[in-house]
Order: sequence, then C-alpha cells, then structure tokens
Amino acid sequence: QVQLVESGGGVVQPGRTLRLSCAASGFRFNTYGMHWVRQAPGKGLEWVAVIWFDGSKKYYADSFQGRFTISRDNSKNTLYLQMNSPRAEDTAVYYCVRGEEVYGDYGKGFDYWGQGTLVTVSS
Amino acid sequence: IQMTQSPSTLAASVGDRVAITCRASQSIVGWLAWFQQKPGQPPRRLIYKSSNLESGVPSRFSGSGSGTEFTLTISSLEPDDFATYYCQQYNSLWTFGQGTKVAIK
Repeated sequence: QVQLVESGGGVVQPGRTLRLSCAASGFRFNTYGMHWVRQAPGKGLEWVAVIWFDGSKKYYADSFQGRFTISRDNSKNTLYLQMNSPRAEDTAVYYCVRGEEVYGDYGKGFDYWGQGTLVTVSS
Repeated sequence: IQMTQSPSTLAASVGDRVAITCRASQSIVGWLAWFQQKPGQPPRRLIYKSSNLESGVPSRFSGSGSGTEFTLTISSLEPDDFATYYCQQYNSLWTFGQGTKVAIK
C-alpha cells in the first residue's frame, strides 16, 4: 500500500535551516510528481511546492520562492523540503503529497497524503 | 488563481442536503478537486476533475461545475461527514480554498 512518512520536524530557531524528509513506499516513486502542502495551526491548507517525477522542474507558491527548496532522491524514494531562514509564520504541519503520474491521466494527483510533520519556528 | 468558498461555516443536521460553493478568480475549466479533513488527520480527496468520485467515497457526495463556479453536494448528511471541506484548483499551479466547516446544528 502507498505510504508517505514525513520526518525532520521540530522546534527550529528563526533564521536557521531545517530539512524535512518524506519516505515513500508502495508505488513507483520515480514516476510521480510530489508536493509539499502546509497547514498552520487552526488554519487552512496552503500549497508550497511541486517537483517533477525526475526532478527536472520545480515550482513554488510565491510565498516560498527563494526561501524553500524542494528536491528528491529517486534512488532513496525520498522527497525533501529545505527551509531556509524560517520565520515564526512558517510554523505549521507540513504534508508530503503524491502528485500526478507521468504516464497517467492528468488530474488524479493529491490522492495520497502523509500524516504530516510539525515545524515550530521559535526562539 | 484565487479560490473562494462559501459559506465558511455551515450548521446542519443529520439527513440534511448540504451544498458548498467554490468560485475561482478565473476559469479553471474543470480542474478542481474537493477534500475532506477531520481534526488531527490529513485531508482526504473526495472528488477530482470537478465531478469524478474518488474510489471508496460514498455516493452521497457529488461534485459539479466548470469554468469558475463549482459545487460539492452531500445529498443526506451522515454523522461521519461533520468535517472541514476544501476545494483546490490545479489549472495553474495549485491553490486551495479557505475551507468550509460543516458543524452540527
């Protein structure tokens, strides 16, 4: 079965760097785009970034361009999100989400979500 | 693309027919999904491509619309349906609506 397990969350000081990981299993990781989505406490969902199945393209929501970096290692079936100089307002649960299959029918992404990892930015 | 859901909160009773509207700031054709989220859980996709029901989702859920206006309908509310619902467009990158909380009246 498809599993997405995030790790790397915790308390981080403002201005430090934090890297989140998402271990994927149960599907052919190297044929799917992957996303990060976040949710601040008591707030709604916010799309963060996407990376193509082969890492060739990356897109970010405006709020994260230049601050966060999405990457993947297909040999390890792992997705990453590096958070540079996080701010207090970046405090949120960060979800790893499966996107579109490269050979599949477009429009079926976001079908599997991890349980999320909580990042708290505080001094 | 901005997504606006209405209402933000909805109070209803078991057995009620419920409709949630999602409006896009520009046409997204039919590239819209609906998600359900319960406290402490990740979202669960209910509908994709505006009206396609996810496998395993009860048939009381349905989606409709195209262009800029979309609707999620629950034909007869069950106790398990009290949750927060989000729409999401994927015509141009990805954007979520602000959410609609369905609460017990």
